[in-house]
Amino acid sequence: AQSVTQLDSHVSVSEGTPVLLRCNYSSSYSPSLFWYVQHPNKGLQLLLKYTSAATLVKGINGFEAEFKKSETSFHLTKPSAHMSDAAEYFCVVSGMEYGNKLVFGAGTILRVKS
Amino acid sequence: SQTIHQWPATLVQPVGSPLSLECTVEGTSNPNLYWYRQAAGRGLQLLFYSVGIGQISSEVPQNLSASRPQDRQFILSSKKLLLSDSGFYLCAWSVGPGATEAFFGQGTRLTVV
Repeated sequence: AQSVTQLDSHVSVSEGTPVLLRCNYSSSYSPSLFWYVQHPNKGLQLLLKYTSAATLVKGINGFEAEFKKSETSFHLTKPSAHMSDAAEYFCVVSGMEYGNKLVFGAGTILRVKS
Repeated sequence: SQTIHQWPATLVQPVGSPLSLECTVEGTSNPNLYWYRQAAGRGLQLLFYSVGIGQISSEVPQNLSASRPQDRQFILSSKKLLLSDSGFYLCAWSVGPGATEAFFGQGTRLTVV
């Protein structure tokens, strides 16, 4: 079974409009969840993380994500897209059942139109 | 503060040649270290991880090997490269144990020709 599923391989939004990148995970226990961003030919930068504290997590660059256990989701949102947000985004799950290693989704490429 | 260095940034190697990619971490002790490979549209695949000097775990069978000769040094190697080894390789570290975030190097774009 897929450990983490990013529901959209590509998302396109206009500058100034909201961003929604969807992620569902599978975990029998309380997982740790992360969102990373990657600009072309660069390493990955941590946007935010959930580790069983507040379910609404605020990250850098105006991004936030909400942990919904009942829906097994951890969607990433931003109220207003900026051109510099264009990148690839990865949802990541970790926890005891994964040997505490990071398991990556396939990624979502975000395009921002002017 | 902690930093991670990975080099080279790009590399073009002929089929059958050896490979050595190096990664070093500064500002922390006894980190967990990782090598990932990234293929387009397929996310990141964990190749190797290490929880200490000389302790290497391989996640997938392949043409590559890893070594950790010092606490903060992690090396990815191959004796003979294959075309299928082409890709973007990322080194990362984390504070262990536990399900914590990892911090990534800038990556190496390897093209085997």
